[in-house]
Amino acid sequence: GAVVSQHPSWVICKSGTSVKIECRSLDFQATTMFWYRQFPKQSLMLMATSNEGSKATYEQGVEKDKFLINHASLTLSTLTVTSAHPEDSSFYICSARAQSGGVETQYFGPGTRLLVL
Amino acid sequence: GQNIDQPTEMTATEGAIVQINCTYQTSGFNGLFWYQQHAGEAPTFLSYNVLDGLEEKGRFSSFLSRSKGYSYLLLKELQMKDSASYLCAVTGGFKTIFGAGTRLFVKA
Repeated sequence: GAVVSQHPSWVICKSGTSVKIECRSLDFQATTMFWYRQFPKQSLMLMATSNEGSKATYEQGVEKDKFLINHASLTLSTLTVTSAHPEDSSFYICSARAQSGGVETQYFGPGTRLLVL
Repeated sequence: GQNIDQPTEMTATEGAIVQINCTYQTSGFNGLFWYQQHAGEAPTFLSYNVLDGLEEKGRFSSFLSRSKGYSYLLLKELQMKDSASYLCAVTGGFKTIFGAGTRLFVKA
């Protein structure tokens, strides 16, 4: 199946700093990628849809100025958590859709665990 | 509104069969995914149903009834490694909305 990578897998930062998370589609082109956040023992919550070459579409309640998304190429989307606070500590997962065996399937990156001190 | 319901937890015995149900009410529907997620890891794809009926893939099968807004994931010959959360997710248009997940505990 298609492969989606994320970097870094772990990040610990001080409150007030910014953190950038990269999401790459390794063997396919993704015009659209999705960013999710997951708190412990909770479901994945869609934060935004990242569109190559245009602005991201944010879900209700997600601050676009705090969670900056850039989709500069067909294989790379980045999420920057600006001025991070402890409540931003979470598991951030990106995903992209790809064709596999004639079926469009959504594949996930391995996730990035963010801890803000 | 959009709503996806799954049981919170289930427990089953190694070697047995377990069925995890999912009901949904969404504004749009293209298909329904099932994912497996082990603690601390990202979800991995199990199945994708677009049409009504049962799709079998090894020990895992998934069923969909679009008219009833209902799906289930059937796991046969349970193994200890099947202990995980199972997420039901519905795609409508461009978005994929996830249920809260069902934590399955497999005991010896």
